[in-house]
Amino acid sequence: EPEVTQTPSHQVTQMGQEVILRCVPISNHLYFYWYRQILGQKVEFLVSFYNNEISEKSEIFDDQFSVERPDGSNFTLKIRSTKLEDSAMYFCASKEGASDTQYFGPGTRLTVL
Amino acid sequence: DQQVKQNSPSLSVQEGRISILNCDYTNSMFDYFLWYKKYPAEGPTFLISISSIKDKNEDGRFTVFLNKSAKHLSLHIVPSQPGDSAVYFCAASELAAGNKLTFGGGTRVLVKP
Repeated sequence: EPEVTQTPSHQVTQMGQEVILRCVPISNHLYFYWYRQILGQKVEFLVSFYNNEISEKSEIFDDQFSVERPDGSNFTLKIRSTKLEDSAMYFCASKEGASDTQYFGPGTRLTVL
Repeated sequence: DQQVKQNSPSLSVQEGRISILNCDYTNSMFDYFLWYKKYPAEGPTFLISISSIKDKNEDGRFTVFLNKSAKHLSLHIVPSQPGDSAVYFCAASELAAGNKLTFGGGTRVLVKP
């Protein structure tokens, strides 16, 4: 069964460094999302992406964040200058059509020291 | 952000019995609701969904009920199995608005053999 994959599974970085989290959505999916879950808190929406552009973003998704679909398979989340409070699980999700279900990847645990 | 709320942080049930998980929402624009199951160190796994034009949807052991007037939905698992032990998240979206998911805080279910 097709699935969303994410790399790395765990990323440790120093405050102020740039990180890139990678996702490979399910191959025929057209809508892509990033969510995060800070330890002990809810899963929160960050950004949605469709037709090579951001369709919606949350207040969390400030200028330090960016997303890209550099080729036909990868979907990346970049954090330019990480802060301690960026430490969280980051989940990528994708779906095929507008009214379809979102399927999630296993997540990347980001630890900012 | 309390638009989706799961008031019970945990639930313990005997194997073979029914598990009932509850979820309340405040945003009357939500018209699509989903339940996800999550094991530690994994991403959310889709279980079942319901659109606002229905009041019940069933898939095997899982049934979701929607009461729009009360802005309440519930997930019934019958019969509960030890493998159902996980955290269950309720999520909601507006189909016309980019489909970002708004999550509840989760309910940890423990099914005792």
